[in-house]
Amino acid sequence: QKEVEQNSGPLSVPEGAIASLNCTYSDRGSQSFFWYRQYSGKSPELIMSIYSNGDKEDGRFTAQLNKASQYVSLLIRDSQPSDSATYLCAVNRSDYKLSFGAGTTVTVRA
Amino acid sequence: GAVVSQHPSRVICKSGTSVKIECRSLDFQATTMFWYRQFPKQSLMLMATSNEGSKATYEQGVEKDKFLINHASLTLSTLTVTSAHPEDSSFYICSARDGDPRRGVGNQPQHFGDGTRLSIL
Repeated sequence: QKEVEQNSGPLSVPEGAIASLNCTYSDRGSQSFFWYRQYSGKSPELIMSIYSNGDKEDGRFTAQLNKASQYVSLLIRDSQPSDSATYLCAVNRSDYKLSFGAGTTVTVRA
Repeated sequence: GAVVSQHPSRVICKSGTSVKIECRSLDFQATTMFWYRQFPKQSLMLMATSNEGSKATYEQGVEKDKFLINHASLTLSTLTVTSAHPEDSSFYICSARDGDPRRGVGNQPQHFGDGTRLSIL
């Protein structure tokens, strides 16, 4: 079982719609979770971090965490073409190193 | 804040050359930096953890004699790919942990440099 798994995608949504990204992790002891956005040919950029169960909102982004289900999600509301990128779910391991999912590529159609 | 600078952004060189990549945290001190490698269409793979003032720790399968890491100060880590070969061609990315003392180590996010695209001919 992979440490971090994301829905494979690619995910195509029309402009203005909600993009929903999912991530599950295997280490029940993980305490901190991050979403990174990576444009093609560029390095990852941190967009959200979440540490407690529930929802965390930042602008058009909402992260949701459910530690009991070992599940993290990211919602992108009012999707824009500039949101087209690969989104990486990252989970802090017990040794404080990050494990990354394979990424979900999102395309927002104008 | 939390800016990480990586240099150079692109390197093209002949097989057998050694290549040095620098990673700097510009506005914070980073006791720990990380080096990743990313092949096309794949996710980031951690190569090694660079600790200021001590030896780097390498992930399983990564040759420490081929990928030399030096973390001489709280703001600079370097990765040297020695005697590079075409199979070493990849996108190398460094990151630094934002050591905000208000957060526990586990809650400190990593911030990434812009990456170095290495092409060995």
